[in-house]
Amino acid sequence: QQQVKQSPQSLIVQKGGISIINCAYENTAFDYFPWYQQFPGKGPALLIAIRPDVSEKKEGRFTISFNKSAKQFSLHIMDSQPGDSATYFCAATIGGGADGLTFGKGTHLIIQP
Amino acid sequence: NAGVTQTPKFHILKIGQSMTLQCTQDMNHNYMYWYRQDPGMGLKLIYYSVGAGITDKGEVPNGYNVSRSTTEDFPLRLELAAPSQTSVYFCASSPLGSQNYEQYFGPGTRLTVT
Repeated sequence: QQQVKQSPQSLIVQKGGISIINCAYENTAFDYFPWYQQFPGKGPALLIAIRPDVSEKKEGRFTISFNKSAKQFSLHIMDSQPGDSATYFCAATIGGGADGLTFGKGTHLIIQP
Repeated sequence: NAGVTQTPKFHILKIGQSMTLQCTQDMNHNYMYWYRQDPGMGLKLIYYSVGAGITDKGEVPNGYNVSRSTTEDFPLRLELAAPSQTSVYFCASSPLGSQNYEQYFGPGTRLTVT
């Protein structure tokens, strides 16, 4: 049973455009929703995270939008740059992740110059 | 700080052999995790530990074992390796305190079982 569904699987965006990646979850007990960024040959690194008591969180060009009633959250990358080309994973967990994160399958993002 | 280190970086294992993947962190984190990453499948939790001497199964524990004798080290043991265990393995650690829930990942071990 896949508890976090992520789409699209791959995404190509022109430089300067907006990249949008969507995730949906099933377990209403999830209370922490991070996004991780992974470059080829590297481990994932935390990009931005949100808790369900807020509907939006912004850090620089990265924004998480959260819709608790729809059980959906999304990552928006504004003014996308070639350096943003990477694989992005959404995740969800309970209690901050003491017993691990449940990841989506990932989105391979390519920003074309 | 070196962060989370993993050895080896690459390894080829024959079917039926055993090996241990090493993971060490120097951030004094209590929480440590092992994930495997398969193409197009995201990361799946194998085992985790909330402190020295305490371990628990994740989503995909079959074929693996762990131990946590110190805060720093969390080795993953593969017994009787099978082709299905071909994957990239990531170790992670987290302080899980003071509202810092970030998991810090190592660089990974790429394992091929053939």
